[in-house]
Amino acid sequence: KAGVTQTPRYLIKTRGQQVTLSCSPISGHRSVSWYQQTPGQGLQFLFEYFSETQRNKGNFPGRFSGRQFSNSRSEMNVSTLELGDSALYLCASSETFNYGYTFGSGTRLTVV
Amino acid sequence: GESVGLHLPTLSVQEGDNSIINCAYSNSASDYFIWYKQESGKGPQFIIDIRSNMDKRQGQRVTVLLNKTVKHLSLQIAATQPGDSAVYFCAEILGGGADGLTFGKGTHLIIQP
Repeated sequence: KAGVTQTPRYLIKTRGQQVTLSCSPISGHRSVSWYQQTPGQGLQFLFEYFSETQRNKGNFPGRFSGRQFSNSRSEMNVSTLELGDSALYLCASSETFNYGYTFGSGTRLTVV
Repeated sequence: GESVGLHLPTLSVQEGDNSIINCAYSNSASDYFIWYKQESGKGPQFIIDIRSNMDKRQGQRVTVLLNKTVKHLSLQIAATQPGDSAVYFCAEILGGGADGLTFGKGTHLIIQP
């Protein structure tokens, strides 16, 4: 069974630009969550989608948004990038929420 | 604030010894806990989970213990191997999961030959 796939693996963007990251969950998994990992703040929850609906959202500004498609694939978007948005963005999928989340390898975003 | 924390940022053990990684949580409403292992350049890898209605759960070479009285979680790794070198995170879900997984800061496990 293929794992959680995130694309791209690495990304360099300029401050003020926007970026879209993609996540393909494990086949059959309907829940997709996004996390931001930085050395200073650790792993922080961004949002979770289940059956195309945002189920919950972490404490991040509105510049961070996401969506989930009917095939459970998910994208997250960050607009008006700031230097502090440089981080490893991780996607996790699960058959249902609150259970057994499997993570992808992440997208390393660098904002310059 | 963060409700899940780890007692030690770095743990060094001899190859072949048992490792114990600890985690404290503060919210009694937490009902699901997961231990993850993260190697450099990779995403967190699921190791083992436990629900709050259990005290102990065992996997292959790993055991998770949950002490709800003192809000403490531990991960025991038997016969530690070089491949066990990584950062270990405990994560919890509070109640209905409205905040997703809440992670601790992590413990870096170093295996001495």
